[in-house]
Amino acid sequence: EIVLTQSPGTLSLSPGERATLSCRASQSVSSRYLVWYQQKPGQAPRLLIYGASSRATGIPDRFSGSGSGTDFTLTISRLEPEDFAVYYCQQYGNSPPTFGQGTKVEIK
Amino acid sequence: QLVQSGAEVKKPGESLKISCKGSGYIFSNYWIAWVRQMPGEGLEWMGIIYPGDSDTRYRPSFQGQVTISADKSISTAYLQWSSLRASDTAMYYCARVPIPGGTLQWYFDLWGRGTLVTVSS
Repeated sequence: EIVLTQSPGTLSLSPGERATLSCRASQSVSSRYLVWYQQKPGQAPRLLIYGASSRATGIPDRFSGSGSGTDFTLTISRLEPEDFAVYYCQQYGNSPPTFGQGTKVEIK
Repeated sequence: QLVQSGAEVKKPGESLKISCKGSGYIFSNYWIAWVRQMPGEGLEWMGIIYPGDSDTRYRPSFQGQVTISADKSISTAYLQWSSLRASDTAMYYCARVPIPGGTLQWYFDLWGRGTLVTVSS
């Protein structure tokens, strides 16, 4: 199975700053089949990005995804207070679908 | 939406079946997955079912440990255990694949709120 490694584990930033989250795959993710989710405490995950770079319905344009092959990035251009959460990547190009271990974006 | 059954507290060795009821869309046309989140940990895909024909796939590590099923007549998917262990203590989410039909592009756009299962003697 494909192992996804997210970095950093924790990102300490202030509102208004730019956040750059990385997701690296142990082998190439076919057809850019990678998504990003946001999870807040006590809530289910929320789909942000699919197909590596397409925003899901209702997701603000400050969220963007990029990458291909084994290296993918989620960028939050200007952090809003509601963006402080844990972010997971997931690949769906190979079975079984696998998740990264998560990056926590916390308030500095 | 996906509405999951309530929290459960069970003893080791007991059986359990939790549910996930879909509404607002044609339930039988979309894969439904189960995802485990152990306390303080990340997300782990357990398996998936296509309610239209009950085609079911499991992550190898969960094969034989749980059973996924669905009743399309009542738009409900299930996750069950025949003999729980303390290590099954976790939050369990059901989640829908957004593409209808037999796609194998298994990512998830609609999630239930989760069912917390606690197994303790």
